[in-house]
Amino acid sequence: SQELEQSPQSLIVQEGKNLTINCTSSKTLYGLYWYKQKYGEGLIFLMMLQKGGEEKSHEKITAKLDEKKQQSSLHITASQPSHAGIYLCGAYGGGADGLTFGKGTHLIIQP
Amino acid sequence: SAVISQKPSRDICQRGTSLTIQCQVDSQVTMMFWYRQQPGQSLTLIATANQGSEATYESGFVIDKFPISRPNLTFSTLTVSNMSPEDSSIYLCSVDGLVADTQYFGPGTRLTVL
Repeated sequence: SQELEQSPQSLIVQEGKNLTINCTSSKTLYGLYWYKQKYGEGLIFLMMLQKGGEEKSHEKITAKLDEKKQQSSLHITASQPSHAGIYLCGAYGGGADGLTFGKGTHLIIQP
Repeated sequence: SAVISQKPSRDICQRGTSLTIQCQVDSQVTMMFWYRQQPGQSLTLIATANQGSEATYESGFVIDKFPISRPNLTFSTLTVSNMSPEDSSIYLCSVDGLVADTQYFGPGTRLTVL
């Protein structure tokens, strides 16, 4: 079965600084989703990457897919308190169109 | 994007009882999914809810414990049966988005079993 490893597990960043979160898959990626979750709440869809080399942006968040490395990175520029939360990557795994998720990256923004 | 609501938003239940969670979507969708998020953990897919046929369960999840209904293209229910404290989790439903290659999630149901 597919496994997704996210790094780092947690991240404390000063407001205004840039940061990067990585998601590495144990198998070929056919589609990689990024979500944000506020503690104890549902998931907010950020973006989905499908093609190698694809790059998408959502406000100050940019994600890239490196198909060869079976990896995706999420980059936040000039971080703000509103960026705090848990970032989860998900990919098509063994289920019928359901997603396999990484364990998440807890992001804290310090003022 | 699809607007998804779940009921109840949270509940505290006694061991041995059952709880049915509802998931309502504001538009017709083909695929609906149920996930579990245990405390401090990531999401795990429980099953895919198919309209007009039985749900497809992932390894480690069985129909007797998590019966699912999908009576139409906008609604599904997940029942957590004979609950134990280990069932304390957030349960989330999700749907394939109307826009290709998106998958949207409901707000979740926070379940605590005493």
